[in-house]
Amino acid sequence: AQSVTQPDIHITVSEGASLELRCNYSYGATPYLFWYVQSPGQGLQLLLKYFSGDTLVQGIKGFEAEFKRSQSSFNLRKPSVHWSDAAEYFCAVGAIGANNLFFGTGTRLTVIP
Amino acid sequence: NAGVMQNPRHLVRRRGQEARLRCSPVKGHSHVYWYRQLPEEGLKFMVYLQKENIIDESGMPKERFSAEFPKEGPSILRIQQVVRGDSAAYFCASSPRIGAVDPSGNTIYFGEGSWLTVV
Repeated sequence: AQSVTQPDIHITVSEGASLELRCNYSYGATPYLFWYVQSPGQGLQLLLKYFSGDTLVQGIKGFEAEFKRSQSSFNLRKPSVHWSDAAEYFCAVGAIGANNLFFGTGTRLTVIP
Repeated sequence: NAGVMQNPRHLVRRRGQEARLRCSPVKGHSHVYWYRQLPEEGLKFMVYLQKENIIDESGMPKERFSAEFPKEGPSILRIQQVVRGDSAAYFCASSPRIGAVDPSGNTIYFGEGSWLTVV
């Protein structure tokens, strides 16, 4: 069965601190992995994606993510968080031939001064 | 996601009324997806449509919900006799191709969402 687990519902970090958001997936096909960000009352913006090649992928806004096949993980990282990064972050998985993306339940990020 | 237009952005309905949510895909896209986001939850797939065809409705509730994507005009998600549990954000996404992902990793483009509140 396909599933995406984001074990951290809410994370609080200080501005300037590093960030890691966890994502684990279970998927029957070769996974294509995505991270999205959603600000309150807004739609989803694609941060980055992994589908092949280098397992460390760079995205927008200084985010990166590392795909670890052995751990079925695709964790999102940022070396130094900015106050504007406060938002909800969603991990998603899909595959060639699939009709939809499966989303995790999200991690809400709070940034404190 | 700049090209997917959803309206209304916010809709309030009383229990028992009908809600209609519209989605205009990116110009040239002929595939539309609807997702629902319940409070404190992630997005759940509802339905995938191609113009004049429903491709996959495995995520649609069996009753009261319907979707269409006519040859001309926007895609419509219709919820009849709304109940409080229908209160959610409804997101539309579009794609120029079959399926949610292509071999280059391109995926679907999301709109800004429509927030339905049932009172």
